[in-house]
Amino acid sequence: GQNIDQPTEMTATEGAIVQINCTYQTSGFNGLFWYQQHAGEAPTFLSYNVLDGLEEKGRFSSFLSRSKGYSYLLLKELQMKDSASYLCAPLDSNYQLIWGAGTKLIIKP
Amino acid sequence: GAVVSQHPSRVICKSGTSVKIECRSLDFQATTMFWYRQFPKQSLMLMATSNEGSKATYEQGVEKDKFLINHASLTLSTLTVTSAHPEDSSFYICSARRPDRVGDGYTFGSGTRLTVV
Repeated sequence: GQNIDQPTEMTATEGAIVQINCTYQTSGFNGLFWYQQHAGEAPTFLSYNVLDGLEEKGRFSSFLSRSKGYSYLLLKELQMKDSASYLCAPLDSNYQLIWGAGTKLIIKP
Repeated sequence: GAVVSQHPSRVICKSGTSVKIECRSLDFQATTMFWYRQFPKQSLMLMATSNEGSKATYEQGVEKDKFLINHASLTLSTLTVTSAHPEDSSFYICSARRPDRVGDGYTFGSGTRLTVV
């Protein structure tokens, strides 16, 4: 079956760095998305990885290892507005997004 | 960038009535749109995949006669919740896919909070 595994909740301090890990199992693979979702709002796109390695985009970076079925999202210089859920969503062989429950990130001052 | 407009953002309806939610792709043609439902603190659950000009493909367990999907044009898909009941209260989100771009091609509408009283 298809499965996504992320920590349910993480806490970090404003200004610090946090890494949110994701392991996945899918039927086929066509890349992996990370989305941010604030409470009561729709997800917003953060990153897309299809090749192994690190993609950096400002304060956010995303890493992918296809052989390990593993990805992480790295958030630097954390701000209070980064408090949200972060969703790891691989794309299966049918180009369908597979969703997990996401990681709720709590930022403390 | 790709923009998807969804409305209404919030709707309260009486039990037994029907509610229509619209999803429009504003600056691209969306051959495929997706409808999701999300309950509090849970993951997004795909309800159906809507293809322009053809019948929607529903996920297992989703009642197609209750959740009517119409994708009559390349820029508009609608979800109608028929004979709504309190257990249908949820956050409904549409997503449209640009056919020519995978990496940033999945754009979400702003979601519709449905409350059935």
